[in-house]
Amino acid sequence: AQSVTQLDSQVPVFEEAPVELRCNYSSSVSVYLFWYVQYPNQGLQLLLKYLSGSTLVKGINGFEAEFNKSQTSFHLRKPSVHISDTAEYFCAVTVSGGYNKLIFGAGTRLAVHP
Amino acid sequence: EAQVTQNPRYLITVTGKKLTVTCSQNMNHEYMSWYRQDPGLGLRQIYYSMNVEVTDKGDVPEGYKVSRKEKRNFPLILESPSPNQTSLYFCASRQGGETQYFGPGTRLLVL
Repeated sequence: AQSVTQLDSQVPVFEEAPVELRCNYSSSVSVYLFWYVQYPNQGLQLLLKYLSGSTLVKGINGFEAEFNKSQTSFHLRKPSVHISDTAEYFCAVTVSGGYNKLIFGAGTRLAVHP
Repeated sequence: EAQVTQNPRYLITVTGKKLTVTCSQNMNHEYMSWYRQDPGLGLRQIYYSMNVEVTDKGDVPEGYKVSRKEKRNFPLILESPSPNQTSLYFCASRQGGETQYFGPGTRLLVL
C-alpha cells in the first residue's frame, strides 16, 4: 500500500524568502505524485504533478518540485514567496495508471509573514 | 467551464436528521469520489465510484451512503448524522489516473 508523509505540519516564512515543503512517500510500484494547494475557505487546486519524464516539475505560481526516486521524496519549492502563498499544501500519491486511490498527506500550513 | 459543483456549501443540522450533499461534474469523468477533511488528518476517502452503478468503500465509509445513477452526479447521503461527522467534505472527479478535480467543499456541522 502507498502512504505519504508531510514532514512539517506548519512552516512560517518571511515574504520574499525561499521555502521548501517536504513530502516523502512509500510505494513498491511506480507512482504519480501531486501537490495541491488549498487557500482559506476554498477547495483544492492542483499546483503541479509528476507522471513520468523529467524529475523537475514546474507548476503554477512559481512553484516547482523534484521527484527523487532513490529518496522517495517529492519536495515542493519556491525561490521567493508572497503573502498570497499563505495556504495549506497537500502532497498526494497514486499508483501510476488506472483508477487507483489518491492518498493524501496530512498537509502543511504555509504562513508567509511580512 | 470544467468544474465540480457541490451543494449546499454550508449546512448546520441536528443529530439523526437525514441529509444529502449533491455533487455534479460536467467533464464526463468516469471516476468520482468523496473525501472528508479534518485538521491534522488531511483528506480521507469516504466512497468512490468507477462508473455508473459501480461504487465502493474508501477508508472511512461508516455512516455514509452514495449512489451513482448518472455519470455526472454522485450524491453523499448521511442517513442519521452524528456529531463526529462534523467536517469539511469534498467531492472530486477524474478521468484515468491523472489530475483529480475538486469541488469547492461543503462545511457540515452536526449538533
